[in-house]
Amino acid sequence: GQNIDQPTEMTATEGAIVQINCTYQTSGFNGLFWYQQHAGEAPTFLSYNVLDGLEEKGRFSSFLSRSKGYSYLLLKELQMKDSASYLCAVKGDYKLSFGAGTTVTVRA
Amino acid sequence: GAGVSQSPSNKVTEKGKDVELRCDPISGHTALYWYRQRLGQGLEFLIYFQGNSAPDKSGLPSDRFSAERTGESVSTLTIQRTQQEDSAVYLCASSSLPGQGNIQYFGAGTRLSVL
Repeated sequence: GQNIDQPTEMTATEGAIVQINCTYQTSGFNGLFWYQQHAGEAPTFLSYNVLDGLEEKGRFSSFLSRSKGYSYLLLKELQMKDSASYLCAVKGDYKLSFGAGTTVTVRA
Repeated sequence: GAGVSQSPSNKVTEKGKDVELRCDPISGHTALYWYRQRLGQGLEFLIYFQGNSAPDKSGLPSDRFSAERTGESVSTLTIQRTQQEDSAVYLCASSSLPGQGNIQYFGAGTRLSVL
């Protein structure tokens, strides 16, 4: 079975940093994805980790520890447009198994 | 097309009616997936198509749900005799290959409301 946990909600101030944690227990592992989803819109790809370590992409970074079943998404220099739901997903053979998503609210 | 296209964007139906949801994947993408997103919950896998291979239907919640895809083009998800618990957003995604690391690109979904 698949079990993917992430916090339900987080609030942060514009310009600040927020870290969204994701822990997983899955029967197979071929990588971990982070998606961003604004209300009523399609989830959009943010990052992919398959090896341990940090992947940096502009203001967004993602970290993976396979031995701990743990990942985080780091959002720096928060902007109002970053208010959205962030989805952690683990890839088995070809399917993605998703967490329930973390709603991030950025306040001025 | 430029992205994954789904129609309709919203569908309101009465309990017991059949509905058909459509997905146009990104041109050239061989893999197509359907997911369901209930309010406050994570996306649930429903079905996967890869080229002309037999689809993986392991996520379909009941025999009222079925899906078809012709070749590497449009897919339709059909829900027969809809129930109120079928109310959700139905998302379609496509990818160029099903292998490791291939990104799934999502459509904006069809919001289904069963009254």
